[in-house]
Amino acid sequence: DAGITQSPRYKITETGRQVTLMCHQTWSHSYMFWYRQDLGHGLRLIYYSAAADITDKGEVPDGYVVSRSKTENFPLTLESATRSQTSVYFCASEGTGREKLFFGSGTQLSVL
Amino acid sequence: GQQLNQSPQSMFIQEGEDVSMNCTSSSIFNTWLWYKQDPGEGPVLLIALYKAGELTSNGRLTAQFGITRKDSFLNISASIPSDVGIYFCAGTEGAQKLVFGQGTRLTINP
Repeated sequence: DAGITQSPRYKITETGRQVTLMCHQTWSHSYMFWYRQDLGHGLRLIYYSAAADITDKGEVPDGYVVSRSKTENFPLTLESATRSQTSVYFCASEGTGREKLFFGSGTQLSVL
Repeated sequence: GQQLNQSPQSMFIQEGEDVSMNCTSSSIFNTWLWYKQDPGEGPVLLIALYKAGELTSNGRLTAQFGITRKDSFLNISASIPSDVGIYFCAGTEGAQKLVFGQGTRLTINP
C-alpha cells in the first residue's frame, strides 16, 4: 500500500550505542522530514531533505545524522545515543507543495 | 526563531459541547495548518489555510487564518468521542519548514 512507513516502532538502546531509524515512502515525494516529539515541546524539526543527496539541518540537529541516497528512503542515525534523545520520532513527507505533510506512525526510542 | 503559542494546553469537555483553540505567532506566516494526533499515531492534516482572513470548514471543524497573519483558530462543533486527541497548529513562511505549536490535548467525557 502507498504511504510512509517507519521502523522499528519501538526501540530500546543504551547510552553510547549507534541507532538508525528507518523511513520509507512510496509516493515519490521530494521533501522528507524528521521530527522529534517531546512533552512540552510539540514537534521539533531535526533534519529535512529536499531531494536525493540534499539534506539540511532543522531546529535540533545536534547528535543526529541523515542520508538520502534514494528518494524513497530517509534514515536517521544517532551516532552515539544519549538519554536526552529518548523521544518519539516522526518521519514525514510533503505532497505537491503547499506544506501538507504526511506523517509516519512514529518510532518510540528509549535510551537507557 | 519562530515561536508559536497554542492554547489551551488541555481541555476537558462534555460530549456535544463546542471546542475552540487558537495559535498565535511572533512572526507573520503565509500558511497555517491544523493537525490531529491520535494516541500512538502520527499527526494527520485536518485543515490547511493559505490566505489571510480565509475561513475553511471540514465537517464539524472550522478554522480561520487571522487577518494579521499572526494567528489562527480551530473550532469543533458538537464534539463526539472520536474527537479525543492532540491538536497541533503549524505555520510556515513557505520554506518547507513548518513550526508546530505545543498542542492542545482534548479529553471528552461521555
